[in-house]
Amino acid sequence: AQSVTQPDIHITVSEGASLELRCNYSYGATPYLFWYVQSPGQGLQLLLKYFSGDTLVQGIKGFEAEFKRSQSSFNLRKPSVHWSDAAEYFCAVGAYGGATNKLIFGTGTLLAVQP
Amino acid sequence: NAGVTQTPKFQVLKTGQSMTLQCAQDMNHEYMSWYRQDPGMGLRLIHYSVGAGITDQGEVPNGYNVSRSTTEDFPLRLLSAAPSQTSVYFCASSQPSTGRGTDTQYFGPGTRLTVL
Repeated sequence: AQSVTQPDIHITVSEGASLELRCNYSYGATPYLFWYVQSPGQGLQLLLKYFSGDTLVQGIKGFEAEFKRSQSSFNLRKPSVHWSDAAEYFCAVGAYGGATNKLIFGTGTLLAVQP
Repeated sequence: NAGVTQTPKFQVLKTGQSMTLQCAQDMNHEYMSWYRQDPGMGLRLIHYSVGAGITDQGEVPNGYNVSRSTTEDFPLRLLSAAPSQTSVYFCASSQPSTGRGTDTQYFGPGTRLTVL
């Protein structure tokens, strides 16, 4: 079955520290992978996506993610966290090819940033 | 462009009442979806549409109806609301390239629904 696991429900980091949010997926074919961010009371905004090619993907707000097929992972990283990065982060996997728009989401990781 | 818009932002219903959550997009996207978001469960797909007149069920379709008569609009209907439908509902749209599969979805701001 297709699934996405975000093992960390809640993470707290200090402002200026580095960040890594974990995402593991289970998918029977080549996946499309996404990271979305949700600020309190807001909708979801795309941070970055991986379709093919270079396995290190750059996104908005200084975020990057690395696709590791051997580990079925797509971890999100940021070298220096800002207080405005406090939000909930969702990893998602989609189908490669065909006429579909289905996304499977992880349960999210809530990021708190300490001053 | 307004992107994806949803109305209302907040709604309180009594058990058994019906209502329609509205969703509209002005990006001429073919694909639209409805998700519900519950604490600790992420977003779950309710129904989706790959074009006007074409809809299909997602992961949690029970208790919800959809139709898509135009490209722009994709309303979600609750026929007889239940407390279990208390949730935040998000509409999303996307425009994938031919044969490419899932592409970036653009989300609306959400509707927070409480069923008493």
